[in-house]
Amino acid sequence: SQQGEEDPQALSIQEGENATMNCSYKTSINNLQWYRQNSGRGLVHLILIRSNEREKHSGRLRVTLDTSKKSSSLLITASRAADTASYFCSGQGAQKLVFGQGTRLTINP
Amino acid sequence: DTEVTQTPKHLVMGMTNKKSLKCEQHMGHRAMYWYKQKAKKPPELMFVYSYEKLSINESVPSRFSPECPNSSLLNLHLHALQPEDSALYLCASSQESLAKNIQYFGAGTRLSVL
Repeated sequence: SQQGEEDPQALSIQEGENATMNCSYKTSINNLQWYRQNSGRGLVHLILIRSNEREKHSGRLRVTLDTSKKSSSLLITASRAADTASYFCSGQGAQKLVFGQGTRLTINP
Repeated sequence: DTEVTQTPKHLVMGMTNKKSLKCEQHMGHRAMYWYKQKAKKPPELMFVYSYEKLSINESVPSRFSPECPNSSLLNLHLHALQPEDSALYLCASSQESLAKNIQYFGAGTRLSVL
């Protein structure tokens, strides 16, 4: 399975702190994507990192990819209350996304 | 416009009812998807349409019947559902159904089967 597996499953931090989530996957991927989902809503694409990239930045987001370890991390710096959501990684194969179990992030004011 | 619109937002139906979920996008995307998501679980792919043709069916029971009338519309017809089918149904679209493409999701239809 190309399924990503995130850890931790839940993370609670204070506003302003950094949040780090990890993702592992099992098979070769073309790219790895991170999505955010606010409670009961659709998913929003955050960032895509290709298999030949090691690190990517977008605003307060930093994603790393280690294909030798089949793992990725998502760092959110200077967290805000609005970052409270579930975060999913997905390794993408030929045609479809397969999502990991997700990390539920809570930012406490 | 990067919006995928799903209707209705909420739906309650009995096990003998027939209902349909609708999804619309005007981004010119040629791939559209249906996902099912149970509470505190990740979305699970159900169907993929590519250029208005069904390209992936993830062994979904026949009580779920997808339809793609044109490149902007995707329907999911529901018939004789079970209570365990209660979930959030998400529609998504992408430029093409290829690995490099980002998927844009609708807000979902919250379905309750009584």
